Amino acid sequence: EAQVTQNPRYLITVTGKKLTVTCSQNMNHEYMSWYRQDPGLGLRQIYYSMNVEVTDKGDVPEGYKVSRKEKRNFPLILESPSPNQTSLYFCASSLSRLAGLNEQYFGPGTRLTVT
Amino acid sequence: AQSVTQLGSHVSVSEGALVLLRCNYSSSVPPYLFWYVQYPNQGLQLLLKYTSAATLVKGINGFEAEFKKSETSFHLTKPSAHMSDAAEYFCAVSGTGGFKTIFGAGTRLFVKA
Repeated sequence: EAQVTQNPRYLITVTGKKLTVTCSQNMNHEYMSWYRQDPGLGLRQIYYSMNVEVTDKGDVPEGYKVSRKEKRNFPLILESPSPNQTSLYFCASSLSRLAGLNEQYFGPGTRLTVT
Repeated sequence: AQSVTQLGSHVSVSEGALVLLRCNYSSSVPPYLFWYVQYPNQGLQLLLKYTSAATLVKGINGFEAEFKKSETSFHLTKPSAHMSDAAEYFCAVSGTGGFKTIFGAGTRLFVKA
């Protein structure tokens, strides 16, 4: 089944404790992206990747890191999480690097709470 | 710069009534426009997309949207609401050749029996 998977689905952590949220897609998509969803703000893009070893900042990159060493994986790293990073996170992928043209396929989301 | 405005954070309709969710966009280049739906505790899934082929776009589950360049709008409609349509709906815009998609704040649709 074609899908985007994220792990973990739920995570409660403390301020400053490094964490990684994994994202994997099995559709051989070139483009992958991370979003955060906050009430009243919709989805805001954190980082995106057009292909292996090619990443760029979205609209809200501060406090986050990403890497794209393999085409299928795009982990999101929070080196020192803070409470304002409490949010619902979505990974998405798209067939081509021209994400504007192609629909994005979304993972199920990761709900992160930082205390 | 591109932006999306969804009018109304919450919309409530009766079962069988018309659904109208409003979306206005701003884009300096010809836009690609999308409507996504998010059911509770799930990720987003595509309802429909406009990529300049036809101004009236039909999507899944009986939804459709009309691209009106003069009004910079891409409103989502469904003639008859069903209880299963209750969800949050997001309008999104991206530009030709762009790598980013900008999402609106979302509209939560409630369907009353």
